[in-house]
Amino acid sequence: DQQVKQNSPSLSVQEGRISILNCDYTNSMFDYFLWYKKYPAEGPTFLISISSIKDKNEDGRFTVFLNKSAKHLSLHIVPSQPGDSAVYFCAAGGMTTDSWGKLQFGAGTQVVVTP
Amino acid sequence: GAVVSQHPSWVICKSGTSVKIECRSLDFQATTMFWYRQFPKQSLMLMATSNEGSKATYEQGVEKDKFLINHASLTLSTLTVTSAHPEDSSFYICSAREASGPSYEQYFGPGTRLTVT
Repeated sequence: DQQVKQNSPSLSVQEGRISILNCDYTNSMFDYFLWYKKYPAEGPTFLISISSIKDKNEDGRFTVFLNKSAKHLSLHIVPSQPGDSAVYFCAAGGMTTDSWGKLQFGAGTQVVVTP
Repeated sequence: GAVVSQHPSWVICKSGTSVKIECRSLDFQATTMFWYRQFPKQSLMLMATSNEGSKATYEQGVEKDKFLINHASLTLSTLTVTSAHPEDSSFYICSAREASGPSYEQYFGPGTRLTVT
């Protein structure tokens, strides 16, 4: 049962333009959401996170938006750079006893930034 | 800071043998470590949660007798794949949660590519 979904397996964007990655979730108990970037044969690296009590968090070129009523979040990267080409994973977690500290990951979106 | 290492980075073993993968937090203490498995072009699937000094908690469908996890210290957790078979070939990634940090932040290791022949 996939609780975190990234429905776009790939995204191609021109350098300098905005990249928008989307993520949907089904579990209303999730308390926090994170975005990770991953290169092949490497572990994911943390990009940005957002708590469920907020609707926006910004860090440099990365902004995450959360729409709790729609159970949807998105990651905006602007401007996109060639080094941003990677797989981006959306992850979510909850603070219940059973789920404490655990993360559920989406399937990932492959981003390719073209010159 | 917050660096997690894994060893080995890749390993090839024969069917029926056991393989041990180490996960270390290099510059922080990790009360909890997580083990994930990733198949090609798929998501990371949580296998188990490992707390220092206690037994690991396995996710549904993960055989605890096949994937032995030990978290003997605040900086080291090991995953042993016992009696490995070709279907165990995968990319195994560990992550660590800092003892003093927010509960949701996890730092990932670089992963271990296991190939069972």
